[in-house]
Amino acid sequence: DAGVTQSPTHLIKTRGQQVTLRCSPKSGHDTVSWYQQALGQGPQFIFQYYEEEERQRGNFPDRFSGHQFPNYSSELNVNALLLGDSALYLCASSWDTSGSGETQYFGPGTRLLVL
Amino acid sequence: GNSVTQMEGPVTLSEEAFLTINCTYTATGYPSLFWYVQYPGEGLQLLLKATKADDKGSNKGFEATYRKETTSFHLEKGSVQVSDSAVYFCALRRAAGNKLTFGGGTRVLVKP
Repeated sequence: DAGVTQSPTHLIKTRGQQVTLRCSPKSGHDTVSWYQQALGQGPQFIFQYYEEEERQRGNFPDRFSGHQFPNYSSELNVNALLLGDSALYLCASSWDTSGSGETQYFGPGTRLLVL
Repeated sequence: GNSVTQMEGPVTLSEEAFLTINCTYTATGYPSLFWYVQYPGEGLQLLLKATKADDKGSNKGFEATYRKETTSFHLEKGSVQVSDSAVYFCALRRAAGNKLTFGGGTRVLVKP
């Protein structure tokens, strides 16, 4: 059973460029969340997708956008890159349930460096 | 808003020593609490969780008890190994499906 996969593993971009990161959730999972982890800090929630809709969003500008496909995979897009966008971007998947106890499983991340 | 505070690292220990990492939280309602571990160059792995007050999560020799009266979820291990060297993150989730709010992480280094 494949876990959460992300691509690419590493990426180097220059300021002003645009980037797309990809995530495939764990088998059986239908919800994908994205987090940004700056060096030496804890992950910060960007947004969550369920049924191809953005369900919740953290405190990130509109330069950060996403998409979820019918097969539950997801993309994170960042426009007009800034130096401060350099970070590890983590994708987490889960199975949407009405009760508590749902667990988010994380992928290995994509390390983005903006020069 | 919701927040998680962890003790700052790095925490340096000798093998077989006792490990405690303090974690306190601020949240409305009754959040679920988690400990995740991040090994060098990797993503986050769930270590253990607790979903209601007085629950004890445990895994791989690690334990943490959900203490609502002190809003704490301290992580403990009785005898650490070199392989436990990693960064540990405490996190909360306010409701099912909701986002995870993480602490800043605590780096643990275990020396032989």
